[in-house]
Amino acid sequence: GENVEQHPSTLSVQEGDSAVIKCTYSDSASNYFPWYKQELGKRPQLIIDIRSNVGEKKDQRIAVTLNKTAKHFSLHITETQPEDSAVYFCAARDNGQNFVFGPGTRLSVLP
Amino acid sequence: EPEVTQTPSHQVTQMGQEVILRCVPISNHLYFYWYRQILGQKVEFLVSFYNNEISEKSEIFDDQFSVERPDGSNFTLKIRSTKLEDSAMYFCASSGPPGGMNTEAFFGQGTRLTVV
Repeated sequence: GENVEQHPSTLSVQEGDSAVIKCTYSDSASNYFPWYKQELGKRPQLIIDIRSNVGEKKDQRIAVTLNKTAKHFSLHITETQPEDSAVYFCAARDNGQNFVFGPGTRLSVLP
Repeated sequence: EPEVTQTPSHQVTQMGQEVILRCVPISNHLYFYWYRQILGQKVEFLVSFYNNEISEKSEIFDDQFSVERPDGSNFTLKIRSTKLEDSAMYFCASSGPPGGMNTEAFFGQGTRLTVV
């Protein structure tokens, strides 16, 4: 089945700097890759997603890139703010329509 | 905006007791999921449900677990004989058909299960 890895597990950046989180997946049939943000004690919330027929997608300060050949995708957050501090999970939707999550990255934005 | 709702928000149960966690998915969604998250750890897949049957389940989803869609709106997770290690946050999620407008998984707010 699908296996999703995510790096780094923790990331600290200064406010205003950029943050990049990288994920790899194993199943070449996976075709949809969402990113979720989870604040402490709350549910995961979708922040951006990308489908396999697209290489890059941007929404204001966040962007996601996908390299299907290498089977990896990345989340980019620019001009980070303290409210960006959270745990971020990447996921891949496999051929069976199941979402497999990466282990998460704890992002801390330092003021 | 439609959302997935879960009840109860917190459940405390004694080891060996049965618990039922309830979820109301978004009404026009077709795929339903249960995930669990042990405090501070990753979101782990338990089971997916489509067309009134389990489509996939993980190793965690053993014989102690079962799911049911008893009517057109509810989706339940039952743990028959709870163990201490079942203590976790349980999230229900739902999604629409692949390629459609609602492909992403929408999560409920979670049920925190504490087994004592």
